Amino acid sequence: AQSVTQPDIHITVSEGASLELRCNYSYGATPYLFWYVQSPGQGLQLLLKYFSGDTLVQGIKGFEAEFKRSQSSFNLRKPSVHWSDAAEYFCAVGAQLTFGTGTRLTIIP
Amino acid sequence: NAGVMQNPRHLVRRRGQEARLRCSPMKGHSHVYWYRQLPEEGLKFMVYLQKENIIDESGMPKERFSAEFPKEGPSILRIQQVVRGDSAAYFCASSRTHQNSGNTIYFGEGSWLTVV
Repeated sequence: AQSVTQPDIHITVSEGASLELRCNYSYGATPYLFWYVQSPGQGLQLLLKYFSGDTLVQGIKGFEAEFKRSQSSFNLRKPSVHWSDAAEYFCAVGAQLTFGTGTRLTIIP
Repeated sequence: NAGVMQNPRHLVRRRGQEARLRCSPMKGHSHVYWYRQLPEEGLKFMVYLQKENIIDESGMPKERFSAEFPKEGPSILRIQQVVRGDSAAYFCASSRTHQNSGNTIYFGEGSWLTVV
């Protein structure tokens, strides 16, 4: 069965600092991988996705993620965070989306 | 270009009542997915439908829950005899074809069900 682990429940980062959110997956074949962002009381917005090809994927809002098959990871990165990035971030795998439990990102001035 | 539309956004039901959540997919999308998000948890897949067909309902509770996507009109997620544990956010999503073919799934803003 496919599964996703997001080991960090809550991360606090200073505005302007770099960010990395971790995601590990378990999947039987070449995975479809996704990162979504959710603001409080809102739906999910797709940041980026990996289906095949280049393992470094660029997304919206300055985010990128790298697929590492050997580590079963798909970590999300951003070189410099903005206060508006504060939200819940979900990693997901598979065509029908199996989600991790999310990482809540707090930005401090 | 309207996105995935869900209504109602907020619904309060007493224990034992029925809840009906509606979802209109994006224009041109014929694949609909329902997910449930319990407080402080991630989203859990419930059911995947195409027009008039349930393709995968492996995430649906065996009792009280049902879903449909008729030829005309929105998809409906129906919860009969609601209990407090049904309180959650229910998200609908849609895609043009199945995501296996590279199409992206787009989410609605959710329906928040509170059972009192």
